[in-house]
Amino acid sequence: ETGVTQTPRHLVMGMTNKKSLKCEQHLGHNAMYWYKQSAKKPLELMFVYSLEERVENNSVPSRFSPECPNSSHLFLHLHTLQPEDSALYLCASSQDYPLTGTSYEQYFGPGTRLTVT
Amino acid sequence: QKEVEQNSGPLSVPEGAIASLNCTYSDRGSQSFFWYRQYSGKSPELIMFIYSNGDKEDGRFTAQLNKASQYVSLLIRDSQPSDSATYLCAVRGGYNFGNEKLTFGTGTRLTIIP
Repeated sequence: ETGVTQTPRHLVMGMTNKKSLKCEQHLGHNAMYWYKQSAKKPLELMFVYSLEERVENNSVPSRFSPECPNSSHLFLHLHTLQPEDSALYLCASSQDYPLTGTSYEQYFGPGTRLTVT
Repeated sequence: QKEVEQNSGPLSVPEGAIASLNCTYSDRGSQSFFWYRQYSGKSPELIMFIYSNGDKEDGRFTAQLNKASQYVSLLIRDSQPSDSATYLCAVRGGYNFGNEKLTFGTGTRLTIIP
């Protein structure tokens, strides 16, 4: 496996279901991200993990719960979602340089197309 | 005011011509600028990044940055049908320790006409 992988690629779930999205990066990066992409809207940053610690949560509803067990894996746990949560969920990774407060370009996984019924 | 603005298009360019994509941003402290290409139903793919004022060339692609005007552009020379996609401009703001936030525009849909 190379780059950033995501599973599943497609997911249909009811509003009462619980499911998880998985992301794995094979680039040796130390920062990972979850984005939401809805039609006609810019990519929305949901969560950032740097060195396995969550450093940003852009006021995302609690029905989305991230988990980052190590620098290569990232999960997004979903429960009691709403139809408006249907979107493409993208994972990305980058290399952070904490001593300088910088990081470089982000590389995206293929995404999970989520439909909430 | 949107933080990163792009013309949504569609922008139609004849095959072989130069496609010019533009992006403006509101945060004067922005440090780096990225162009991603996204084919329909696919994830964004990084094609160019630029950190300093001026031009940066990579094959058929040239990124241009003017921080004074808060403007970044992407030129695609000798446009090919395979260049038809949505192009996303992304801007990284000021330094945040241990964290980088990219702000994306809504994208410009480019169509290359054979």
